[in-house]
Amino acid sequence: DTEVTQTPKHLVMGMTNKKSLKCEQHMGHRAMYWYKQKAKKPPELMFVYSYEKLSINESVPSRFSPECPNSSLLNLHLHALQPEDSALYLCASSQGLQGYTGELFFGEGSRLTVL
Amino acid sequence: AQSVTQPDIHITVSEGASLELRCNYSYGATPYLFWYVQSPGQGLQLLLKYFSGDTLVQGIKGFEAEFKRSQSSFNLRKPSVHWSDAAEYFCAVGVRAGGTSYGKLTFGQGTILTVHP
Repeated sequence: DTEVTQTPKHLVMGMTNKKSLKCEQHMGHRAMYWYKQKAKKPPELMFVYSYEKLSINESVPSRFSPECPNSSLLNLHLHALQPEDSALYLCASSQGLQGYTGELFFGEGSRLTVL
Repeated sequence: AQSVTQPDIHITVSEGASLELRCNYSYGATPYLFWYVQSPGQGLQLLLKYFSGDTLVQGIKGFEAEFKRSQSSFNLRKPSVHWSDAAEYFCAVGVRAGGTSYGKLTFGQGTILTVHP
């Protein structure tokens, strides 16, 4: 069983909708990540939070808005998405200690379809 | 910037046969190296990792990988493949970050493994 939980597992939304993806981990990790994975492609980094602060934004369009309410939770707010944003969105966490890159623990993903 | 190359897009093996998945990386220093496995529609599961020390690392599910600095490679091996090993395998490199930063994982394109009975 994964220790990173993502909800919902599947989401279908229209281009005018506002929705959110949620991620939770209870491993005491201090870095959390959002990755986007298109079919038959590797995951691509979107955002990284370290100690609840946004540390990396990989030039992601503003229609994706991340939020880290506390050290265990990570949200991705979605608004005015395009059909090409349909993908598997993966949340991950790592120890994220200064000067250390630990392995990432991934959730099972949220499959997003934009109509 | 770091990069990862997995030369084989798709590999087919028979159940019980041995397996080797290739991974080559490009990075200016000693990297962190990982192999992840992903079943269709699922998240990624860590198979094994290399940080330092012994260059032959053991992982879960009977997998092992060998770090060869001279060849910039980190190939994944398994002596006898099971049908349940059919999945997509990703090699990834992590940067040894310093200061207040931390590394990012860069993934290879993935290798799809098909196992024939």
